[in-house]
Amino acid sequence: DVKVTQSSRYLVKRTGEKVFLECVQDMDHENMFWYRQDPGLGLRLIYFSYDVKMKEKGDIPEGYSVSREKKERFSLILESASTNQTSMYLCASRGGGGNLPQHFGDGTRLSIL
Amino acid sequence: AQSVSQHNHHVILSEAASLELGCNYSYGGTVNLFWYVQYPGQHLQLLLKYFSGDPLVKGIKGFEAEFIKSKFSFNLRKPSVQWSDTAEYFCAASIYNQGGKLIFGQGTELSVKP
Repeated sequence: DVKVTQSSRYLVKRTGEKVFLECVQDMDHENMFWYRQDPGLGLRLIYFSYDVKMKEKGDIPEGYSVSREKKERFSLILESASTNQTSMYLCASRGGGGNLPQHFGDGTRLSIL
Repeated sequence: AQSVSQHNHHVILSEAASLELGCNYSYGGTVNLFWYVQYPGQHLQLLLKYFSGDPLVKGIKGFEAEFIKSKFSFNLRKPSVQWSDTAEYFCAASIYNQGGKLIFGQGTELSVKP
C-alpha cells in the first residue's frame, strides 16, 4: 500500500516566518503534488513535480515555492507566511502510468498567527 | 479554463436512503474522472475512477458512478447509505497529457443520520 507521510499534522507559525512542509512517499513515484484545502473551495493545486529537481506551478503558486532534491521527498515552502495562508495542506504522489490515481497524505493543518 | 463543479455543498440523509451526488466538468477532450472520499480526520481515499470503457463504474463500499459524456457529468450513487458514509466527497478530473494534475470540485459534505 502506498504511504505518503507529511511531517506534521498541526503547525502554528507567525506572520513573516519561513515555513517548511515536508512530504515523503515510499513507492518510488515520479509525480508529487501539493494542494491546499479550504472549505467551499475544494482542493487547489499549488505546485507539482514530475521528476527530481523538476517543478511546475499549479493554479495558486503565489507566495509558495517547492523543492525536490530526492525522488521520495517534496517540500513546500512558504517564503514569508501570511494569515491568508492558514489552511489545510495536502501532499499527494502518483506513479508514472497514465491511468494511475493520486495517493494522499493525512494533511498538515497550518495556522499563521 | 477547465473546472469541476459539484452541485451540493451539504447533503443530509437518513440511513437506508439513496444517494446521488452531482458532478460536472468543463472540458471537451479526453478526461479521466475520479471520486475521492475524506472521512473525518482521515486522508483522502479513492472511491472509484473512470478512464475508458463501461461508463458505469463500481467502486469500494457499494458506490458507483456513471459517466455521461453528452452531459459532461460523473454522478456518484449509492442505493442505501449508512451512518459510516458520513464524510466529504470530492469529484476530480485529470486532463489527458497534463501530467496527471487533478482539478477538484468544491466538495460535498454528506451527513447520514442514524
